[in-house]
Amino acid sequence: ELKVEQNPLFLSMQEGKNYTIYCNYSTTSDRLYWYRQDPGKSLESLFVLLSNGAVKQEGRLMASLDTKARLSTLHITAAVHDLSATYFCAVAMDSNYQLIWGAGTKLIIKP
Amino acid sequence: DSGVTQTPKHLITATGQRVTLRCSPRSGDLSVYWYQQSLDQGLQFLIHYYNGEERAKGNILERFSAQQFPDLHSELNLSSLELGDSALYFCASSPWGGLSGNTIYFGEGSWLTVV
Repeated sequence: ELKVEQNPLFLSMQEGKNYTIYCNYSTTSDRLYWYRQDPGKSLESLFVLLSNGAVKQEGRLMASLDTKARLSTLHITAAVHDLSATYFCAVAMDSNYQLIWGAGTKLIIKP
Repeated sequence: DSGVTQTPKHLITATGQRVTLRCSPRSGDLSVYWYQQSLDQGLQFLIHYYNGEERAKGNILERFSAQQFPDLHSELNLSSLELGDSALYFCASSPWGGLSGNTIYFGEGSWLTVV
């Protein structure tokens, strides 16, 4: 059974700081997704990582994938308040076309 | 706006009742996915349809059913509702049948409260 673990589950940080959210998964997969969710809102796609060593960046967010370590990271650089949200990673199970989701990391960035 | 439309946005109903949630995927997308999000279970995959055919089932209860119509819209039917069914139900869509790196776009969700 594929399990996806995110840590930390909760993160409170100051603006201007850097931090990393980790996503570990238990079985082989080469497709990993990062989403953002604001409270009570929809899930917004951030990144799709498709291969070992993939790195994608958008603004202050950068995601990477290491399929050998079964690890993805979402790095936040010089955080700003607008990045406060819950961030989810999800790993694709190709055998039955579904995504297995992490529990989410609630990020609060204080001015 | 992702282009995925869900109705209703909010729904309050009593235990034992039946409700239908509706989803219109993005224009051109053939796949529709249903997810349930609750505080205790997190995001759970329910079911996936591709071009009218069921492709995969996740943690979907027997009291729940879904279908995708020829115009590609989808409905999720929840029956004999229990308090624990209260959750945010998301529909998502993508162009193809498999998770071949396509972004999956989520709708705004339907908030279901069972009282």
